[in-house]
Amino acid sequence: DIQMTQSPSSLSASVGDRVTITCRASQSISMYLNWYQQKPGKAPKLLIYAASSLQSGVPSRFSGSGSGTDFTLTISSLQPEDFATFFCQQSYSSPYTFGQGTKLEIK
Amino acid sequence: QVQLQASGPGLVKPSETLSLTCTVSGGSISGYYWSWIRQPPGKGMEWIGYIYYSGSTDYHSSLKSRVTISVDTSKNQFSLRLRSVTAADTAVYYCARHPDMIVIIDHWGPGTLVTVSS
Repeated sequence: DIQMTQSPSSLSASVGDRVTITCRASQSISMYLNWYQQKPGKAPKLLIYAASSLQSGVPSRFSGSGSGTDFTLTISSLQPEDFATFFCQQSYSSPYTFGQGTKLEIK
Repeated sequence: QVQLQASGPGLVKPSETLSLTCTVSGGSISGYYWSWIRQPPGKGMEWIGYIYYSGSTDYHSSLKSRVTISVDTSKNQFSLRLRSVTAADTAVYYCARHPDMIVIIDHWGPGTLVTVSS
């Protein structure tokens, strides 16, 4: 199975900050990497697919980059509604595995 | 807007079978892939498996011997059966949709907690 490792596991930041979350795959997954946001008690929401494609309706302050084994999710200017848990997922091969998540909290 | 809602018992006894059904509303089950995903307390998400509306499936290799996912297009539902459960199967279970067999999940249900306990 492909292991997905996210860092950091938690992060404190302020409104307006630029934030970067990293996801590393245990083997190359080309660009088959997706990012989701989950708020407490809610269903996850797709933010970025194929490493860098912005899902329809997602604000442009969210961006993704990377290929192979190393990927990043960047929020250019944090908004109050962005505080949540973010997790990555590889769609390269079955079983389709997820990162452990990064909890983004208000500083 | 497509909505998914999982339903089923919230408590299952060890060694028994966990059964959940996901009802899809606001859209057809046809033409899409449908996954089950779970999240044990304090842990990350785990993909369980998917079914195409026509019935083809793919399961997580570690769960394959215990899992069956089925679809009922006439009811716009798909279902999960997980046999011989243990406490390790306690989790929030999500049903989800992806447009093709590349698992990029564009719609998730809200999740339902299933506890395995006697």
